[in-house]
Amino acid sequence: SSELTQDPPVSVALGQTVRITCQGDSLRRYYASWYQQKPGQAPILVIYPKNNRPSGIPDRFSGSTSGDTASLTITGAQAEDEAVYYCNSRDITGNHLGRVFGGGTKVTVL
Amino acid sequence: QVQLQESGPGLVKPSQTLSLTCTVSGGSISSGGDYWSWIRQHPGEGLEWIGYIYYTGSTYYNPSLKSRLTISVDTSKNQFSLKLSSVTAADTAVYYCARDRVVGVGLNWFDPWGQGTLVTVSS
Repeated sequence: SSELTQDPPVSVALGQTVRITCQGDSLRRYYASWYQQKPGQAPILVIYPKNNRPSGIPDRFSGSTSGDTASLTITGAQAEDEAVYYCNSRDITGNHLGRVFGGGTKVTVL
Repeated sequence: QVQLQESGPGLVKPSQTLSLTCTVSGGSISSGGDYWSWIRQHPGEGLEWIGYIYYTGSTYYNPSLKSRLTISVDTSKNQFSLKLSSVTAADTAVYYCARDRVVGVGLNWFDPWGQGTLVTVSS
């Protein structure tokens, strides 16, 4: 399967901005979606194509794409944003029908 | 709103078949445009997409699991199921079901997710 590569763990001071990235050839053709997972909980959708936020997700979360890289930005990070974030897109091997996740980036809010 | 709930044994013996069911409530599994996926997460690791099914029965599987995997749907019960055969300890994971929304060409995302169920493979 094709790969999506995410950043190593990052930390951000409370109220500051953090951007995490997801890189892969599939992102040249397909949009990414982003998921937040807190310990012991199921992932939840925070950004869906084309860089849209579901209802209930704060507007401090935003997504963007450039070339083969998708980014998730948290502007004014809050303590409750501490989580692991996963990107997802299409698997471009074969007939592009499969899905693939990035390895996740842990965001720590200091 | 749509909700999903996984159910099935939490313990499976090696070489046996892991069977899970996902019950969809608050919406119809037969609604067009929605696929229904299984995703798993090994302890302490990331997410792995397993495969999906459409209400018509059409499926697509992760090639790494395809030889052992069967996903089926029961529209009368608003459920879809996963069967993974010949399991080993490497199949120990939290298994999630999720609605796989597809809008347009190449635009898809998972929402909502079930709460997940831990399946341990051990004798």
